[in-house]
Amino acid sequence: QVQLVQSGPEVKKPGASVKVSCKASGYRFTSYGISWVRQAPGQGLEWMGGISGYNGNANFAQKFQGRVTMTTDTSTSTAFMEVRSLRPDDTAVYYCARISATRLFDIWGQGTMVSVSS
Amino acid sequence: DIQMTQSPSSLSASVGDRVTITCRASDDISKSLAWYQQRPGKAPKLLLYAASRLESGVPSRFSGSGSGTDYTLTISGLQPEDFATYYCQQYQSTPYTFGQGTKLEIK
Repeated sequence: QVQLVQSGPEVKKPGASVKVSCKASGYRFTSYGISWVRQAPGQGLEWMGGISGYNGNANFAQKFQGRVTMTTDTSTSTAFMEVRSLRPDDTAVYYCARISATRLFDIWGQGTMVSVSS
Repeated sequence: DIQMTQSPSSLSASVGDRVTITCRASDDISKSLAWYQQRPGKAPKLLLYAASRLESGVPSRFSGSGSGTDYTLTISGLQPEDFATYYCQQYQSTPYTFGQGTKLEIK
Protein backbone atom coordinates (compact mmCIF):
# COMPACT_ATOMS: atom_id res chain seq x y z
CA GLN A 1 0.00 0.00 0.00
CA VAL A 2 1.01 3.61 -0.41
CA GLN A 3 2.85 4.80 2.67
CA LEU A 4 5.50 7.13 4.02
CA VAL A 5 7.62 5.87 6.90
CA GLN A 6 9.66 8.39 8.85
CA SER A 7 12.75 8.00 11.01
CA GLY A 8 12.57 7.79 14.79
CA PRO A 9 12.49 10.46 17.50
CA GLU A 10 15.46 12.73 18.06
CA VAL A 11 16.74 14.66 21.06
CA LYS A 12 19.10 17.49 20.28
CA LYS A 13 20.84 20.36 22.05
CA PRO A 14 20.40 23.97 20.92
CA GLY A 15 22.67 24.80 18.01
CA ALA A 16 22.80 21.23 16.74
CA SER A 17 21.35 19.88 13.49
CA VAL A 18 18.82 17.15 12.85
CA LYS A 19 18.09 15.17 9.70
CA VAL A 20 14.74 13.42 9.35
CA SER A 21 14.07 10.81 6.68
CA CYS A 22 10.83 9.86 4.95
CA LYS A 23 10.80 6.60 2.96
CA ALA A 24 8.08 6.20 0.37
CA SER A 25 6.65 2.94 -0.89
CA GLY A 26 3.73 1.76 -2.98
CA TYR A 27 3.93 4.48 -5.64
CA ARG A 28 6.32 6.00 -8.17
CA PHE A 29 8.41 8.36 -6.07
CA THR A 30 9.39 10.59 -8.99
CA SER A 31 5.76 11.32 -9.87
CA TYR A 32 5.06 13.22 -6.66
CA GLY A 33 6.60 15.77 -4.39
CA ILE A 34 7.15 15.65 -0.65
CA SER A 35 6.18 18.46 1.67
CA TRP A 36 7.28 18.89 5.25
CA VAL A 37 4.88 20.15 7.91
CA ARG A 38 5.63 20.62 11.59
CA GLN A 39 3.45 20.80 14.67
CA ALA A 40 4.72 22.21 17.94
CA PRO A 41 3.24 20.63 21.10
CA GLY A 42 -0.43 21.56 21.41
CA GLN A 43 -0.23 23.82 18.37
CA GLY A 44 -1.40 23.82 14.76
CA LEU A 45 0.18 22.77 11.50
CA GLU A 46 2.93 24.77 9.80
CA TRP A 47 4.12 24.16 6.24
CA MET A 48 7.90 24.32 6.03
CA GLY A 49 8.49 23.65 2.37
CA GLY A 50 8.46 20.99 -0.29
CA ILE A 51 10.62 19.19 -2.80
CA SER A 52 9.94 17.62 -6.17
CA GLY A 53 10.53 13.88 -6.35
CA TYR A 54 11.20 14.33 -10.07
CA ASN A 55 13.99 16.89 -10.16
CA GLY A 56 14.79 17.75 -6.55
CA ASN A 57 13.69 21.36 -6.85
CA ALA A 58 12.66 22.70 -3.46
CA ASN A 59 10.83 25.71 -2.15
CA PHE A 60 10.54 26.88 1.40
CA ALA A 61 8.45 29.04 3.65
CA GLN A 62 10.44 32.22 4.15
CA LYS A 63 11.04 31.63 7.86
CA PHE A 64 12.92 28.41 7.10
CA GLN A 65 14.99 29.57 4.15
CA GLY A 66 18.69 29.27 4.87
CA ARG A 67 18.22 27.02 7.89
CA VAL A 68 16.46 24.04 6.32
CA THR A 69 17.66 21.74 3.55
CA MET A 70 15.45 19.28 1.70
CA THR A 71 16.86 16.51 -0.46
CA THR A 72 15.77 13.27 -2.07
CA ASP A 73 17.40 9.96 -2.94
CA THR A 74 15.43 8.51 -5.82
CA SER A 75 17.36 5.22 -5.65
CA THR A 76 15.76 4.51 -2.26
CA SER A 77 12.58 6.61 -2.68
CA THR A 78 13.52 8.60 0.38
CA ALA A 79 13.20 12.28 1.19
CA PHE A 80 15.27 14.04 3.81
CA MET A 81 14.88 17.26 5.72
CA GLU A 82 17.70 18.80 7.73
CA VAL A 83 17.24 21.65 10.18
CA ARG A 84 20.37 23.45 11.37
CA SER A 85 21.01 25.73 14.33
CA LEU A 86 18.20 24.16 16.31
CA ARG A 87 16.43 26.23 18.94
CA PRO A 88 14.08 25.10 21.73
CA ASP A 89 11.14 26.45 19.74
CA ASP A 90 11.97 23.94 16.98
CA THR A 91 10.63 21.26 19.31
CA ALA A 92 7.82 19.72 17.31
CA VAL A 93 6.53 16.71 15.47
CA TYR A 94 7.78 16.87 11.90
CA TYR A 95 5.61 15.25 9.22
CA CYS A 96 6.33 14.48 5.63
CA ALA A 97 3.40 14.38 3.24
CA ARG A 98 3.06 13.32 -0.36
CA ILE A 99 2.01 16.21 -2.52
CA SER A 100 0.20 15.49 -5.76
CA ALA A 101 0.30 17.44 -9.01
CA THR A 102 -2.86 19.16 -7.82
CA ARG A 103 -0.99 20.20 -4.64
CA LEU A 104 -2.92 17.90 -2.30
CA PHE A 105 -1.24 16.46 0.78
CA ASP A 106 -2.86 13.07 0.36
CA ILE A 107 -0.55 10.67 2.22
CA TRP A 108 1.24 11.52 5.46
CA GLY A 109 4.08 9.93 7.36
CA GLN A 110 3.60 8.97 10.98
CA GLY A 111 5.58 11.97 12.23
CA THR A 112 8.99 12.34 13.88
CA MET A 113 9.28 14.00 17.28
CA VAL A 114 12.28 16.32 17.53
CA SER A 115 13.02 17.67 21.00
CA VAL A 116 15.49 20.51 21.45
CA SER A 117 16.66 21.13 24.99
CA SER A 118 19.86 21.93 26.83
CA ASP B 1 1.05 35.15 2.65
CA ILE B 2 -2.60 34.05 2.75
CA GLN B 3 -3.92 33.87 6.29
CA MET B 4 -6.53 31.24 7.16
CA THR B 5 -8.92 31.93 10.03
CA GLN B 6 -11.03 29.07 11.38
CA SER B 7 -13.97 29.27 13.72
CA PRO B 8 -14.85 28.18 16.24
CA SER B 9 -11.60 27.09 17.86
CA SER B 10 -13.50 24.46 19.83
CA LEU B 11 -16.93 22.93 19.64
CA SER B 12 -18.92 20.54 21.83
CA ALA B 13 -21.49 18.29 20.25
CA SER B 14 -23.25 14.97 20.71
CA VAL B 15 -23.30 11.82 18.63
CA GLY B 16 -25.84 12.30 15.85
CA ASP B 17 -25.53 16.09 15.75
CA ARG B 18 -24.75 18.18 12.71
CA VAL B 19 -21.87 20.62 13.06
CA THR B 20 -20.35 23.27 10.84
CA ILE B 21 -16.84 24.70 10.90
CA THR B 22 -15.94 27.80 8.94
CA CYS B 23 -12.71 28.93 7.38
CA ARG B 24 -11.96 32.34 5.97
CA ALA B 25 -9.00 33.17 3.75
CA SER B 26 -7.39 36.60 3.65
CA ASP B 27 -7.53 36.52 -0.14
CA ASP B 28 -9.50 34.72 -2.85
CA ILE B 29 -8.23 31.14 -3.00
CA SER B 30 -10.51 30.00 -5.85
CA LYS B 31 -11.69 26.85 -4.03
CA SER B 32 -8.10 25.63 -3.48
CA LEU B 33 -9.16 24.57 -0.02
CA ALA B 34 -8.64 21.27 1.78
CA TRP B 35 -9.93 19.95 5.09
CA TYR B 36 -7.98 17.57 7.33
CA GLN B 37 -8.92 15.55 10.38
CA GLN B 38 -6.33 14.89 13.06
CA ARG B 39 -6.86 12.49 15.93
CA PRO B 40 -4.62 12.76 19.02
CA GLY B 41 -1.14 11.45 18.40
CA LYS B 42 -1.84 10.78 14.73
CA ALA B 43 -0.98 12.42 11.43
CA PRO B 44 -3.56 14.58 9.67
CA LYS B 45 -5.86 12.84 7.22
CA LEU B 46 -7.15 14.47 4.05
CA LEU B 47 -10.97 14.62 4.06
CA LEU B 48 -11.96 17.02 1.30
CA TYR B 49 -10.25 19.05 -1.39
CA ALA B 50 -11.26 21.66 -3.95
CA ALA B 51 -13.58 22.91 -1.22
CA SER B 52 -16.22 20.23 -1.75
CA ARG B 53 -14.70 17.07 -3.21
CA LEU B 54 -14.59 14.07 -0.92
CA GLU B 55 -11.32 12.16 -0.74
CA SER B 56 -11.67 8.48 -1.58
CA GLY B 57 -12.84 6.44 1.40
CA VAL B 58 -14.15 9.38 3.42
CA PRO B 59 -17.73 8.92 4.64
CA SER B 60 -20.41 10.96 2.89
CA ARG B 61 -21.49 12.58 6.18
CA PHE B 62 -18.58 14.96 5.56
CA SER B 63 -19.29 17.75 3.12
CA GLY B 64 -17.78 21.07 2.18
CA SER B 65 -18.80 24.21 0.41
CA GLY B 66 -17.69 27.72 -0.31
CA SER B 67 -15.92 29.92 -2.78
CA GLY B 68 -13.75 33.00 -2.88
CA THR B 69 -12.64 33.60 0.70
CA ASP B 70 -15.31 31.75 2.74
CA TYR B 71 -15.60 27.99 3.22
CA THR B 72 -17.40 25.55 5.45
CA LEU B 73 -17.03 21.95 6.56
CA THR B 74 -20.20 20.20 7.69
CA ILE B 75 -20.43 16.87 9.45
CA SER B 76 -23.95 15.43 9.46
CA GLY B 77 -24.78 12.75 11.98
CA LEU B 78 -21.65 12.83 14.15
CA GLN B 79 -20.09 9.47 14.92
CA PRO B 80 -17.84 8.72 17.91
CA GLU B 81 -14.77 8.53 15.65
CA ASP B 82 -15.39 12.08 14.37
CA PHE B 83 -14.34 13.72 17.61
CA ALA B 84 -10.97 15.12 16.61
CA THR B 85 -9.35 18.35 15.49
CA TYR B 86 -10.08 19.73 12.03
CA TYR B 87 -7.87 22.00 9.96
CA CYS B 88 -8.48 23.88 6.76
CA GLN B 89 -5.58 24.54 4.39
CA GLN B 90 -5.21 26.70 1.32
CA TYR B 91 -3.10 25.36 -1.52
CA GLN B 92 -3.69 28.21 -3.94
CA SER B 93 -0.20 29.60 -3.41
CA THR B 94 2.91 29.03 -1.34
CA PRO B 95 3.45 29.23 1.53
CA TYR B 96 0.60 26.79 1.95
CA THR B 97 -1.15 27.83 5.13
CA PHE B 98 -3.43 26.13 7.62
CA GLY B 99 -6.16 27.40 9.85
CA GLN B 100 -5.48 27.23 13.57
CA GLY B 101 -7.73 24.20 14.02
CA THR B 102 -11.13 23.39 15.50
CA LYS B 103 -11.25 20.85 18.29
CA LEU B 104 -14.52 18.91 18.21
CA GLU B 105 -15.32 17.43 21.59
CA ILE B 106 -18.06 15.20 22.91
CA LYS B 107 -20.74 17.03 24.91
